[in-house]
Amino acid sequence: SYDLTQPLSVSVALGETATITCGGNNIGGKNVHWYQQKPGQAPVLVIFRDTVRPSGIPQRFSGSNAGNTATLTISIAQAGDEADYYCQVWDTNTLIFGGGTRVTVL
Amino acid sequence: EVQLLESGGGLAQPGGSLRLSCAASGFTFGSFAMSWVRQVPGQGLQWVSSISGSGSRTYYADIARGRFTISRDNSRNTLSLQMNSLRGDDTAVYFCAKDDIGVVGDFFDQWGQGTLVSVSS
Repeated sequence: SYDLTQPLSVSVALGETATITCGGNNIGGKNVHWYQQKPGQAPVLVIFRDTVRPSGIPQRFSGSNAGNTATLTISIAQAGDEADYYCQVWDTNTLIFGGGTRVTVL
Repeated sequence: EVQLLESGGGLAQPGGSLRLSCAASGFTFGSFAMSWVRQVPGQGLQWVSSISGSGSRTYYADIARGRFTISRDNSRNTLSLQMNSLRGDDTAVYFCAKDDIGVVGDFFDQWGQGTLVSVSS
């Protein structure tokens, strides 16, 4: 089965840049999507198809995908960006989520 | 405005059944694939099942195959998940989620708020 590997946690200073990775075998050949989930809330799509921001998502959120790693970057991190972030792909008729990364803004 | 409202959660006994529903509004329901995703409190997201917009194609995670059945009624804008042979590790919040296209295999652009399923004797 296809696995996605995310770091358990990432810490970032207020106003600095957070980088969240999502590792998978040749993930660069897949479409990667990212969700943000705050405590007690439903997930929210923040990046789809590797690099595209849905309407309403700040430009501070960006994505990339190549080789064996997809990346979600949060620039100029704000306190409101504290959340869990999940990457997602489809592989052989199966949807796969990464294990999630807790982002803490210091 | 897209709205997804789950219902049907609650307490079930091991080996029992529950039927979850998701009432959709604010979009042309039959034009979009739909899915169920669950989350054990304090843990990550876990895909359960997906269905195409027409209802002709269904997909299941290993955890659900043979026990759960996804279905939809496009005339009533309702997505359902029939869960049988429930186990303790099925305890989770179950979210319904809207795909961005009519076929399964892309991303979820809208999520419901979830319904809690607890399986315990």
